[in-house]
Amino acid sequence: GAVVSQHPSRVICKSGTSVKIECRSLDFQATTMFWYRQFPKKSLMLMATSNEGSKATYEQGVEKDKFLINHASLTLSTLTVTSAHPEDSSFYICSARPGKELETQYFGPGTRLLVL
Amino acid sequence: EDQVTQSPEALRLQEGESSSLNCSYTVSGLRGLFWYRQDPGKGPEFLFTLYSAGEEKEKERLKATLTKKESFLHITAPKPEDSATYLCAVDNYGQNFVFGPGTRLSVLP
Repeated sequence: GAVVSQHPSRVICKSGTSVKIECRSLDFQATTMFWYRQFPKKSLMLMATSNEGSKATYEQGVEKDKFLINHASLTLSTLTVTSAHPEDSSFYICSARPGKELETQYFGPGTRLLVL
Repeated sequence: EDQVTQSPEALRLQEGESSSLNCSYTVSGLRGLFWYRQDPGKGPEFLFTLYSAGEEKEKERLKATLTKKESFLHITAPKPEDSATYLCAVDNYGQNFVFGPGTRLSVLP
């Protein structure tokens, strides 16, 4: 149990286009979902926290108009990178947390984005 | 400010050479401490949750322990397939966790 999927696993796009990444909790309902960015050999960098049905909370320095997050249901959150540029190329990982307070976060497999 | 540190940053072991990874934390409150394993190009995989000082959890060659200021991940007789980055994270009653920077473990055959 506790499986989180991400789609796509990797995407290549042209500069200026928008890319949508989906994060789904497959066998549990996620009250909260998180979006991270990870650079090579670096730890996770939290971008935003989203709760179902409400606006996402963005970390300092993360542009909310560039990284649009929608948490439409208890099993789905999406991250849209708008007008992507080469500096947005990175590994994006989502995680989901069940409603229980003592539960851990379960991570998706990640999405590798390359902007040309 | 709540903080989690991990040491060493990188560790190279020979197959069968047991060792320990350290996770030290300074937080206002501890609801739980979590260990994850991350392979290159993949998302972190959950390993253990520890809730209170003195608690221990085991899984195959891994054993996690917790004190009031730190946690250890002991690896007994490691194999090359144990090579990965090991992350610890603390739930400090906030909405998210405070993550450590990770320890990159390489086990050589």
